[in-house]
Amino acid sequence: NAGVTQTPKFRVLKTGQSMTLLCAQDMNHEYMYWYRQDPGMGLRLIHYSVGEGTTAKGEVPDGYNVSRLKKQNFLLGLESAAPSQTSVYFCASSYSVRGAYSNQPQHFGDGTRLSIL
Amino acid sequence: GQQVMQIPQYQHVQEGEDFTTYCNSSTTLSNIQWYKQRPGGHPVFLIQLVKSGEVKKQKRLTFQFGEAKKNSSLHITATQTTDVGTYFCAGLGTGGYNKLIFGAGTRLAVHP
Repeated sequence: NAGVTQTPKFRVLKTGQSMTLLCAQDMNHEYMYWYRQDPGMGLRLIHYSVGEGTTAKGEVPDGYNVSRLKKQNFLLGLESAAPSQTSVYFCASSYSVRGAYSNQPQHFGDGTRLSIL
Repeated sequence: GQQVMQIPQYQHVQEGEDFTTYCNSSTTLSNIQWYKQRPGGHPVFLIQLVKSGEVKKQKRLTFQFGEAKKNSSLHITATQTTDVGTYFCAGLGTGGYNKLIFGAGTRLAVHP
C-alpha cells in the first residue's frame, strides 16, 4: 500500500519554465490538497479538490493551476515559474467529511523539493 | 483572516528533559489536529482533539485542548532522540472540506 506518491522528488527550474507535479493516492480518498512549505511558515494550502473533476483555491493559489481528471490523481502546474515559488510542495489526501465542522486526518506524500533559479 | 499561532518556534533540550509546544487560534476551533514531521520527511498525523478541555495521551505525549477551544498544547515527558522533528498543530479552516490551517510549527532538537 503506497499511500500518497509524489513525483518528481526534486527539480530545478529556470525562471519562466513550466512544469507539472504529480500526486497519486491509492486510498480511494475523495479529498486531495496541495500545500507549500517554507521555512518558518508552516504549510499553506495552494489548491484543493473534493472530488474528481472539481478543484478550488486555497490560501495561496496565485501562479498555480490544478487538475483532477481522475479520482486518484491531483496535478499541480506552474505555468511560468518564479523564484518566489522555490519551496517544498506536499500533496495530501483524506476521506470526505460529513458537515462543515468535522475533520479527518490528512495523509501526506514525501514532498517535491523545487528550486527556481 | 483565521490564524493559528504556535510557540516556541524552536526548542533545544537535553535528552530526558520535558518539552511543551503551544498553539493559539484567533478564532474558536471545532477541533484541532497535531502532526509530526521528521527532518527531511513529511507531516504525519498524531491525534485529533474535539471536546472542550479534552486531554489525550499517547505514551509520553500528552495533548490538551483548551476550555474555550482556542488553544492547545503538546507536552512530551522525558524526551528521547526519536522525538526530534517539527510538531504542527492545525485547525479546521473556514468553508469545511477538511481544509486545515497549520501553525508554523515548533522544531524540537534533542541532544543525548
